[in-house]
Amino acid sequence: SQQGEEDPQALSIQEGENATMNCSYKTSINNLQWYRQNSGRGLVHLILIRSNEREKHSGRLRVTLDTSKKSSSLLITASRAADTASYFCATVPSSGGYQKVTFGTGTKLQVIP
Amino acid sequence: DAGITQSPRYKITETGRQVTLMCHQTWSHSYMFWYRQDLGHGLRLIYYSAAADITDKGEVPDGYVVSRSKTENFPLTLESATRSQTSVYFCASSGTSGGALYFGPGTRLLVL
Repeated sequence: SQQGEEDPQALSIQEGENATMNCSYKTSINNLQWYRQNSGRGLVHLILIRSNEREKHSGRLRVTLDTSKKSSSLLITASRAADTASYFCATVPSSGGYQKVTFGTGTKLQVIP
Repeated sequence: DAGITQSPRYKITETGRQVTLMCHQTWSHSYMFWYRQDLGHGLRLIYYSAAADITDKGEVPDGYVVSRSKTENFPLTLESATRSQTSVYFCASSGTSGGALYFGPGTRLLVL
């Protein structure tokens, strides 16, 4: 079964606006990662946040993590047309093997120029 | 070119045939993974490997076999392909336990 569930499933915004995607997961984690997938391509790692971190920034990306609610959010500020892609969260479990990295179903983001 | 490659990129086969998907990485990463991606399911982990000769099952291993005789290669075999195995298959590698995954370009498999 999927560990992570993203919300919303799809999001359409105007260029320059901010985009927020949410991820909820079920079990205890070591870390949570966000990936981007452009149509028909492999996933690209964006950012990793550890279970003892609450917020992390990378360029226009801001990720928050709330382990008490088992949820994370990805904020893309000042969106660009090139940000159009699907975004996935992935969880690394805190026990049972760090290699069992499981992905959510993704949020499809469309940024309209 | 350095990186992670998959072959073939596209494959059409028939039900019951054996198919092997290849994955090769040049980073000497210890960890390698196979995922399948289907609409509505996101990515699901099929098998993973922590090192040469060490493999383990993921979420959906039935009908698949893996091997890892060399660190750089991690082939995935469908022993007797079924239509439900029509999917896009992604190989990934990681240099650190629990760290970022680096994905290949994917193999689109159609089972008729």
